[in-house]
This record gives sequence, C-alpha cells and structure tokens, in this order.
Amino acid sequence: EPEVTQTPSHQVTQMGQEVILRCVPISNHLYFYWYRQILGQKVEFLVSFYNNEISEKSEIFDDQFSVERPDGSNFTLKIRSTKLEDSAMYFCASSEGRPSSGNTIYFGEGSWLTVV
Amino acid sequence: QKEVEQNSGPLSVPEGAIASLNCTYSDRGSQSFFWYRQYSGKSPELIMFIYSNGDKEDGRFTAQLNKASQYVSLLIRDSQPSDSATYLCAAKDNYGQNFVFGPGTRLSVLP
Repeated sequence: EPEVTQTPSHQVTQMGQEVILRCVPISNHLYFYWYRQILGQKVEFLVSFYNNEISEKSEIFDDQFSVERPDGSNFTLKIRSTKLEDSAMYFCASSEGRPSSGNTIYFGEGSWLTVV
Repeated sequence: QKEVEQNSGPLSVPEGAIASLNCTYSDRGSQSFFWYRQYSGKSPELIMFIYSNGDKEDGRFTAQLNKASQYVSLLIRDSQPSDSATYLCAAKDNYGQNFVFGPGTRLSVLP
C-alpha cells in the first residue's frame, strides 16, 4: 500500500541550527502538508502546498519555516535557527485532491525533532 | 478560532464492550469530520470520515454526526486490547485545506 515516507525518523540538533526534514508523499497525490505535534499536545497544522506553492499556512508557520518541493518526489520543511520549543514530532501528509468529503490526508510516520 | 474538543480520558472499557468516543466542534462551517487512531509515538492513522448527518458504519466502527448539535462520535464495538490508543477527531470546512484536530481521547481496553 502506498505510503508517505519521512526522513530522518529522529534528529537532535543544537539550538540555533538549521534543520531540513524530508518527505516523499504518495506518488499520485497533489496536496502536501506539514503538521507538528508537541509531546502530549494536539496535532497542529503548519502549512499546505499545492501546485508548487503554499496554499495555506497557520500562525505557527512564520519566517522561521519554509517548504520546498525541490524535485518531482521530495517535499521538505526547513526550520531556521531552531529554538527549544521547536522540539516536536513533525508529520508530513498528502492527499490526492483537495481535502473534502472524498479526499482525506494520509500521514507519514513522523520526524521527531529534539532541539537541545 | 476554530476548536475541536474531546475528553482527554483515559476512557477504560472491558474487552468486548462498546467504547464511545465523543467530539464537539465550534465552527459551524465544518463539513467533514475524521477519526484518526494514534498509537503512542506513531503517526495518526485514518479510521473513517463522515460528512452527512446520521450514522456511518465500517466494520466494528460507527461514526455519528449531528451538525445541529455540532457533535461527532465514534463507537467501537467488541473492543479489543489492540484498540487501546489515542483517538483524534478532526474537522475541516469546505474552503480551507487544513484539518483542525482535537486533543485526542486516550482509550484503554482492559483484557
């Protein structure tokens, strides 16, 4: 069964460093997302991406964050100048079409980021 | 501010019983509702979605939606210990692309 894959599964980084989290969405999907989940808290939307541009973003997704689709398969989340509070599980997700009653999003296994 | 609320639990039920998980949402514009299961340290896994008032059944799972009351529920029949997980309710409107997640209800099925 097709799945969203993410790398790395776990990354430890020093505060102030830049981190790139990578994702390979399901191949025929057109919409891509990043969500994050701080330990013990709810899953929070960061950004959605369609047609090579950001289609929606949350208040969390400020200038510290950026996304890119550098080639036909990868979808990356870059976090610049990481802070302790960026420690969380970051989930990539994708959907075949615009999320609606007929299209849902499928999550990758997550990248656990620890900022020390 | 769009909010999805869930009782954090834990909800404990004996094996074989019916587990009832509830969710309320604040945005009347929400049109689609999703239930995800999340095991500790793992990613959310879709169980089912519902967008019409009433019940929708899939195997041991039944989702119920009442838009007038802004209420969604998930029933799990014949609960198994493997059903022990956190269940996330998510809502989406027809315009945006992001899902708003509730905090999740932790379910514990006791053998």
